[in-house]
Amino acid sequence: AQKVTQAQTEISVVEKEDVTLDCVYETRDTTYYLFWYKQPPSGELVFLIRRNSFDEQNEISGRYSWNFQKSTSSFNFTITASQVVDSAVYFCALRGARRNTGNQFYFGTGTSLTVIP
Amino acid sequence: DAGVTQSPTHLIKTRGQQVTLRCSPKSGHDTVSWYQQALGQGPQFIFQYYEEEERQRGNFPDRFSGHQFPNYSSELNVNALLLGDSALYLCASSLNGAGTDTQYFGPGTRLTVL
Repeated sequence: AQKVTQAQTEISVVEKEDVTLDCVYETRDTTYYLFWYKQPPSGELVFLIRRNSFDEQNEISGRYSWNFQKSTSSFNFTITASQVVDSAVYFCALRGARRNTGNQFYFGTGTSLTVIP
Repeated sequence: DAGVTQSPTHLIKTRGQQVTLRCSPKSGHDTVSWYQQALGQGPQFIFQYYEEEERQRGNFPDRFSGHQFPNYSSELNVNALLLGDSALYLCASSLNGAGTDTQYFGPGTRLTVL
C-alpha cells in the first residue's frame, strides 16, 4: 500500500526563521517518485520538486532544500529565512512506478504554514 | 505556455442533481487526472484518462465518470450529487512516458452541494 504521512498539521514561524516540514512515506515499490506541492489560498497546487527513489542526493533551490533519506522513508522540506509569501499549505506526494497502478499520486494531509511578519 | 485550466471556478448544486466539470491540460500534455480535495484534506485520486480511455481509477463510486476528448481536454461528471460531494475538484495534466509523469494542477472547481 502507498501512504504519505505529514504529522505536522499546522506550523507558525516568525519571518526569517527556518522551518522544516516533515514527510514520511510507505511503499512496497522499489522504484517510486516523491513530490512536494504548495497550495496557496487560491487553491492551485504548485509543483515544487520531484525526487526519484534511486537518487538520494539532497537538493537546494534558493531558500528551499529537500532531504531525502530512504533509510527512514522520509522526504523533508526546509525553508530557510522564511517569508510571508511562504504561507500556504504544503503537500508531500508519492507515486509508484508499476504499469497499471502507478499513475495516481498519493497525497499527505498537508501542513499549513503561517509565516508571521 | 498555457497552464492547466478548469471551468467553472465555482458551482452550487442541490442534492440529486448532476454536474459536469471541464479541464484543458497544459500545452503538450496528453494525460489528465482528476482529484477530489475535501476541506482540510489532501487531494484524493478519482481517475486518470489517457488516449480517451480511463486508465486507472481510485476508490470512487460509479456516480463519478469522465471523458477525454481527442484534443486531450477532459470532463468529470458526477451524478446524483450528495452533500459529501462538496469539495474542490482538481484537474492535473502530465505527459505520458515522460519518466516521472509530474502532474501539473489547475486552479480547481469549488463544488458546493446544498
